[in-house]
Amino acid sequence: AQSVTQPDIHITVSEGASLELRCNYSYGATPYLFWYVQSPGQGLQLLLKYFSGDTLVQGIKGFEAEFKRSQSSFNLRKPSVHWSDAAEYFCAVGDGLTGGGNKLTFGTGTQLKVEL
Amino acid sequence: EAGVTQFPSHSVIEKGQTVTLRCDPISGHDNLYWYRRVMGKEIKFLLHFVKESKQDESGMPNNRFLAERTGGTYSTLKVQPAELEDSGVYFCASSQDFGSTYTFGSGTRLTVV
Repeated sequence: AQSVTQPDIHITVSEGASLELRCNYSYGATPYLFWYVQSPGQGLQLLLKYFSGDTLVQGIKGFEAEFKRSQSSFNLRKPSVHWSDAAEYFCAVGDGLTGGGNKLTFGTGTQLKVEL
Repeated sequence: EAGVTQFPSHSVIEKGQTVTLRCDPISGHDNLYWYRRVMGKEIKFLLHFVKESKQDESGMPNNRFLAERTGGTYSTLKVQPAELEDSGVYFCASSQDFGSTYTFGSGTRLTVV
């Protein structure tokens, strides 16, 4: 069965600092990988996704993620964090049955706090 | 276009009562999903509709949960009777094509006391 691990429950960074959120997955075939963000009172918003091709994926709000098959990782990065990035971040893997990640398995989330 | 709408946004009910959550997907989206996040844990899949048919309900926890999607439009998720462990945030999502990326709603926070 597929699984996702986000080892960091909480992370605090200073505004302007770089950010890396870790995600490790377990999946038997080529994974379909996603990062979502949930700001307070908002729904889950898709930041970026990886299906195939270039392993460095660009997303919205200046985020990027790199798929590393050898490490079973899909870490999320941002070079300079803004106070508005404070939110909870979720990594997810799709079952891939349909090529688009139909049923998602999520990690437990990482709560990001940004210090001004 | 309007997004995925869920209501109520919050619901507090007593153990043993019934609660019905509603989800309005994006117009034209045949695929509708329900997920749930129990406090402190991961977001888990509950079920998937294609139009009015249940495509996959493997994540439904027990028979106290009943999901419907009349006419292939909005969906309801009824919990009857509610138990304390049902507390959490219930998310709905929709997608146009089978397997395409979802759009999530903002969720319904259910508290059973």
